[in-house]
Amino acid sequence: DAGVIQSPRHEVTEMGQEVTLRCKPISGHNSLFWYRQTMMRGLELLIYFNNNVPIDDSGMPEDRFSAKMPNASFSTLKIQPSEPRDSAVYFCASSLSGTGNTEAFFGQGTRLTVV
Amino acid sequence: AQSVTQLGSHVSVSEGALVLLRCNYSSSVPPYLFWYVQYPNQGLQLLLKYTTGATLVKGINGFEAEFKKSETSFHLTKPSAHRRDAAEYYCAVRGFTGTASKLTFGTGTRLQVTL
Repeated sequence: DAGVIQSPRHEVTEMGQEVTLRCKPISGHNSLFWYRQTMMRGLELLIYFNNNVPIDDSGMPEDRFSAKMPNASFSTLKIQPSEPRDSAVYFCASSLSGTGNTEAFFGQGTRLTVV
Repeated sequence: AQSVTQLGSHVSVSEGALVLLRCNYSSSVPPYLFWYVQYPNQGLQLLLKYTTGATLVKGINGFEAEFKKSETSFHLTKPSAHRRDAAEYYCAVRGFTGTASKLTFGTGTRLQVTL
């Protein structure tokens, strides 16, 4: 398996524009996580899905952020409108089941810069 | 509820010296514990994990960690540091709550290895 695949790897956009980040989890994994990493806040969990259903989105900073998982092999994180403070590295991770004893596998991340 | 505290945001050791990175956790359910490593401009990679059974777990690159329930700790150690060990290390906890489980990270510890 190619691992968790995120696209794009880098994104530069202007303030106010819509940004969509994409993630393809490892085949067979049924938990998916979106994290944001910044120098100030470290690694923050934004939202996670189990069997394509959002379980906990309490980490989503505000209504400008939304995430979807239309099927087991694809998820998106959308920011609309984007702001400079959204600049960060966004990671997607996937794992097996919901029992907790399996590790999450991370993608390479998307580095977002909002100017 | 679950959380992780990593003591020391920066740790510096000499090459060949003992590495000790501290992690304490809080969890309302039996925890599953993980250590991840992140090299510059890369995603997170699993070092080791504790699920059940033996409390001393061995991971990749010569690292190991011991689960101590009485101390709610899961410290990471390596007998002899190498320059390639310089990276960011994250402790994480995951607990199954009957439906799914989220993975919560600490704030990370940057390990510097000096000659």
